[in-house]
Amino acid sequence: SAVISQKPSRDICQRGTSLTIQCQVDSQVTMMFWYRQQPGQSLTLIATANQGSEATYESGFVIDKFPISRPNLTFSTLTVSNMSPEDSSIYLCSVETSGSKTYNEQFFGPGTRLTVL
Amino acid sequence: GQQLNQSPQSMFIQEGEDVSMNCTSSSIFNTWLWYKQDPGEGPVLLIALYKAGELTSNGRLTAQFGITRKDSFLNISASIPSDVGIYFCAGPSVSGGSNYKLTFGKGTLLTVNP
Repeated sequence: SAVISQKPSRDICQRGTSLTIQCQVDSQVTMMFWYRQQPGQSLTLIATANQGSEATYESGFVIDKFPISRPNLTFSTLTVSNMSPEDSSIYLCSVETSGSKTYNEQFFGPGTRLTVL
Repeated sequence: GQQLNQSPQSMFIQEGEDVSMNCTSSSIFNTWLWYKQDPGEGPVLLIALYKAGELTSNGRLTAQFGITRKDSFLNISASIPSDVGIYFCAGPSVSGGSNYKLTFGKGTLLTVNP
């Protein structure tokens, strides 16, 4: 497993502003992911953040709205740009640990609860 | 994309009762994962299943990977108040060969009355 922390844990932001969320892992990992969980909903993958290359975005998510950085194997950031109330969600980062018995297992951070007014 | 149908959507039970929830898919999954999410927290991995027919336990939790590879169930025995939370099934997407894309079910909200 991996210990994952996120900052901030929550924030209330004004419409039109941007917020950068940080994700820190206690060990080096190849794959990091960013998810969105809208109120009362399941998790939806935003993008996969790989070190040394551009993030891969899922359908419905674009880099201009959700720019991602992955400067090293233990850290990533997700920015929510030009926010609107519809962006109010929990944003979660996760990592995939490698190994024959843990393939495809993902471990999640505690999430960042974002409210946009 | 692949979809997971999770049921029931919510459950209200008395402490001490057993609970069962399941996930089905129209597509085959190579791995089934069960997560629990406490209020205000990220999901925590409970059980991972890798082989069709596999039955795995983690304390009072038992999960099975269906023989057809299109379904899985999670049982909780002798429920306690701290079992309260949302339980999600998840599986890696096999389309496009990108096994690391996890698809999540919509979750089962469990409430346990003391």
